[in-house]
Amino acid sequence: EAGVVQSPRYKIIEKKQPVAFWCNPISGHNTLYWYLQNLGQGPELLIRYENEEAVDDSQLPKDRFSAERLKGVDSTLKIQPAELGDSAVYLCASSFGQGMDETQYFGPGTRLLVL
Amino acid sequence: SQKIEQNSEALNIQEGKTATLTCNYTNYSPAYLQWYRQDPGRGPVFLLLIRENEKEKRKERLKVTFDTTLKQSLFHITASQPADSATYLCALGLIFSGGYNKLIFGAGTRLAVHP
Repeated sequence: EAGVVQSPRYKIIEKKQPVAFWCNPISGHNTLYWYLQNLGQGPELLIRYENEEAVDDSQLPKDRFSAERLKGVDSTLKIQPAELGDSAVYLCASSFGQGMDETQYFGPGTRLLVL
Repeated sequence: SQKIEQNSEALNIQEGKTATLTCNYTNYSPAYLQWYRQDPGRGPVFLLLIRENEKEKRKERLKVTFDTTLKQSLFHITASQPADSATYLCALGLIFSGGYNKLIFGAGTRLAVHP
């Protein structure tokens, strides 16, 4: 079974440029998460989807970040414009549901460097 | 303020010994706690879940304890091997009204097992 797929794996952009990350969750997983991981820190939730509905986006900086999950499968996270402080790893995870016993499966992440 | 603290220093141990990693938290009331392993350049991988009403959980060479009075979880790897070298993250599981679950991750502890 294929795991969570993310692309690109690495991205280098100049500040003020836009950038987009793509995530394909494990087949059949209804819940999709985007996390931000800074160096030496744990993942921090940005947004969580139940199917195509964003049910927790309280930590998403909505002035520059946006996300979508059309058709409740793939998801895209966008930053426009990017700032130097956005340099981090962006992790996508998925789970079948969102209960206590539902394991979250993480993708390899997209490492973003903003110059 | 709310905090999750894991050993900030790397833990170096000899192969065959037991590694013990600590996760302390303040001003949280987690319903459960999870431990993840993260290798460089990869996403976290789920290892174990322990509920607030459980004292101890085991899986092969892994053991987790959860003390809600001390607000602490200990993660043990017995008969450690160089292949166990990685960063280990604890994550507090919070349950909000309506049954919504959310994970709050610690910064992780880097474990190095030497031959």
